[in-house]
Amino acid sequence: DQQVKQNSPSLSVQEGRISILNCDYTNSMFDYFLWYKKYPAEGPTFLISISSIKDKNEDGRFTVFLNKSAKHLSLHIVPSQPGDSAVYFCAASGPFGNEKLTFGTGTRLTIIP
Amino acid sequence: DTGVSQDPRHKITKRGQNVTFRCDPISEHNRLYWYRQTLGQGPEFLTYFQNEAQLEKSRLLSDRFSAERPKGSFSTLEIQRTEQGDSAMYLCASKLGAKTEAFFGQGTRLTVV
Repeated sequence: DQQVKQNSPSLSVQEGRISILNCDYTNSMFDYFLWYKKYPAEGPTFLISISSIKDKNEDGRFTVFLNKSAKHLSLHIVPSQPGDSAVYFCAASGPFGNEKLTFGTGTRLTIIP
Repeated sequence: DTGVSQDPRHKITKRGQNVTFRCDPISEHNRLYWYRQTLGQGPEFLTYFQNEAQLEKSRLLSDRFSAERPKGSFSTLEIQRTEQGDSAMYLCASKLGAKTEAFFGQGTRLTVV
């Protein structure tokens, strides 16, 4: 079963506007959430993370929001830039010792100049 | 470059052959992970090392797969008797401690023909 879901396979946003990427999870044991960005033929690059004790974390143009009751998180990018065009993966880990990541299927973000 | 390094970047092999991939993590990171990514999917967990000990293996890791991390430094992932279904991007990641981000290498793209 898919414990981390990204229901939008793709998203197109005008340059300068806000990009909002969404992620839902089903496992209530997850307590740490991350967003990664991936370009073709490269490994994922870490963007931002949030612990379950918080509901918001901000780093420059990137903000992650966590709604635990809804088991939902979102990544806001503002303003969006052409270099932000990539595939974005939501990932989660739990208090299981190994802290392995469970990933969603990704959302391809395209920034339109 | 002090990031996670993987070698080779690309590998084409004939079905039935054995292949071995190498991962050099960030030097002070004690946790090392292997993931596999196929087209249209997010990375999937394969196995986890803490120092030299292999502490968890996914059920995705059939008996044709073996991983080692001698002396808790670099790691190797070997696939014996490769099958076409093994074609994927194999990703290595490392991290230092709990509730920290994992850093990924650029991956090894395996194509089995």
